[in-house]
Amino acid sequence: AQSVTQLDSQVPVFEEAPVELRCNYSSSVSVYLFWYVQYPNQGLQLLLKYLSGSTLVKGINGFEAEFNKSQTSFHLRKPSVHISDTAEYFCAVMMPRETSGSRLTFGEGTQLTVNP
Amino acid sequence: GAVVSQHPSRVICKSGTSVKIECRSLDFQATTMFWYRQFPKQSLMLMATSNEGSKATYEQGVEKDKFLINHASLTLSTLTVTSAHPEDSSFYICSARAQGHPNTEAFFGQGTRLTVV
Repeated sequence: AQSVTQLDSQVPVFEEAPVELRCNYSSSVSVYLFWYVQYPNQGLQLLLKYLSGSTLVKGINGFEAEFNKSQTSFHLRKPSVHISDTAEYFCAVMMPRETSGSRLTFGEGTQLTVNP
Repeated sequence: GAVVSQHPSRVICKSGTSVKIECRSLDFQATTMFWYRQFPKQSLMLMATSNEGSKATYEQGVEKDKFLINHASLTLSTLTVTSAHPEDSSFYICSARAQGHPNTEAFFGQGTRLTVV
């Protein structure tokens, strides 16, 4: 079984500062990796995903993430955050051979708070 | 892009009553839908997976008779919380996999906040 650990439950930063949200995973097989964002009382929106190929993945809203197989990590980064980036961020994994399809295992989430 | 709509977005019900939550794929056919539960400040926990026209597959620890899931068409799945109690109060989110899309794509509804009083 796979698992996901988000190392920081809360990350406060100032506007225009860079940010990194950390995610580590555990799996005995190759997995697909995802980052989602959730605004208050809303569903999840996909930021980016890693399936294969280049380990640096660019997503929406200026976010990017780097897949590091040796460290089993998939950290999310943004060079300059905005107030509007304040939200909950979830890292998730999926097993490619999962027969039920698109079954995601989520981390505990990281609350990013951008202060003026 | 693919849109998943959940209704209602918020519902308050009395203890002992049943509540139905709808999840619709508006512009695509959803062969598989997923129902999640999210407690405040916590992650999403998968409750069940439903495929159109067949019985839902429930995760361990989820009461099948309490959380009834129906996926009668390729665009609609419903979750009915039967005989609701205050401990069922939570945020429920559905997601859907689109027919013809890669199975890595999961589109999420906006969620339903259930409060049982």
